[in-house]
Amino acid sequence: DQQVKQNSPSLSVQEGRISILNCDYTNSMFDYFLWYKKYPAEGPTFLISISSIKDKNEDGRFTVFLNKSAKHLSLHIVPSQPGDSAVYFCAASAAGNTGKLIFGQGTTLQVKP
Amino acid sequence: KAGVTQTPRYLIKTRGQQVTLSCSPISGHRSVSWYQQTPGQGLQFLFEYFSETQRNKGNFPGRFSGRQFSNSRSEMNVSTLELGDSALYLCASSLAGAHTDTQYFGPGTRLTVL
Repeated sequence: DQQVKQNSPSLSVQEGRISILNCDYTNSMFDYFLWYKKYPAEGPTFLISISSIKDKNEDGRFTVFLNKSAKHLSLHIVPSQPGDSAVYFCAASAAGNTGKLIFGQGTTLQVKP
Repeated sequence: KAGVTQTPRYLIKTRGQQVTLSCSPISGHRSVSWYQQTPGQGLQFLFEYFSETQRNKGNFPGRFSGRQFSNSRSEMNVSTLELGDSALYLCASSLAGAHTDTQYFGPGTRLTVL
């Protein structure tokens, strides 16, 4: 049973445009969410996080939106750059579950020059 | 500040052997979590250590074990290797392992079982 789902395996956008990556979750106990970026042969790199007490968090070109009622979050990258091309993972955690992140399957983003 | 380091980066073993992977966390981080990444199952949580104690464990067989030392460095061991154990093994460190602590990942150890 996949508790965190990224239903789009891949996404292609033009440089300078907005990239929107989506993530859905099923476990209502999740109250903290993170996005990671991963290049081949490297470990995931932390991008941005959001607590369930917020519905939006921004950090430079990256914004994460959380819709708790829909159990849905999205990562917006504006403007997209070719260096953003990577696999993006959504992850969730629940109180009391120390050190454990539940990951989605990932979305491969390609930003074309 | 140095990031999370993992050794070795690549490893080739044969079925039935055992393997030990090492992880050095970011200085000051006391929690270390381990994950397995495979094409079919994605990133899956193995276990988490804090103050030399395993606090949390994922759904993996007992062949997968780990430990943490007093300097927070951690090792994981896989005994009686199977072909299906071929994967990228990632460790991540955080300040205290709280569910709101950001986990920072190392580059991983690529294990191939022949």
